[in-house]
Amino acid sequence: GDSVTQMEGPVTLSEEAFLTINCTYTATGYPSLFWYVQYPGEGLQLLLKATKADDKGSNKGFEATYRKETTSFHLEKGSVQVSDSAVYFCALIPLSGSARQLTFGSGTQLTVLP
Amino acid sequence: DVKVTQSSRYLVKRTGEKVFLECVQDMDHENMFWYRQDPGLGLRLIYFSYDVKMKEKGDIPEGYSVSREKKERFSLILESASTNQTSMYLCASSKGHSNTEAFFGQGTRLTVV
Repeated sequence: GDSVTQMEGPVTLSEEAFLTINCTYTATGYPSLFWYVQYPGEGLQLLLKATKADDKGSNKGFEATYRKETTSFHLEKGSVQVSDSAVYFCALIPLSGSARQLTFGSGTQLTVLP
Repeated sequence: DVKVTQSSRYLVKRTGEKVFLECVQDMDHENMFWYRQDPGLGLRLIYFSYDVKMKEKGDIPEGYSVSREKKERFSLILESASTNQTSMYLCASSKGHSNTEAFFGQGTRLTVV
């Protein structure tokens, strides 16, 4: 079945540091890929997405590129802020088949220190 | 903007009570989902629905049921609440057959005592 493997946390960085959170997936065909963010006590918000190979999703300084050859969708940000402290989830929806629900990774807790 | 609204942010119930968690979306989405989120276990799918009066079991349906009488509303029911159902519950919705993103509510933190 489809699966998403995410870098385990927690991750602690200083403000203005570079961030990478690794995400790889297993799926038949070419799924759509997503990064969601969850701030403390809140639901999940879509951060960015990519629907085909080599697409780059970007939002709020975060970027991720859909790499078909390595089945990866790593999240990056050049300079993190304290306000980026949250849990980040990588997820996919398969392109083919009847499934319409997201398959999530386990989440990565990010803490940014001032 | 898509809005998914869960009826309560925080809820405290007693063991054995019947508990209703309500979720309403305002974007005419066909698909609706209930997840629970627990530390170290990530998000787990409880039930989902692709249409009115339709429901499908997710990965952990035991102890839960759902109701979808109207397109915009998807209710999660705990028939007899137990302490191991203390958790964060998240509702989500998405559009039809397309592989687009799901939109989430703010979550309900349920404590069963």
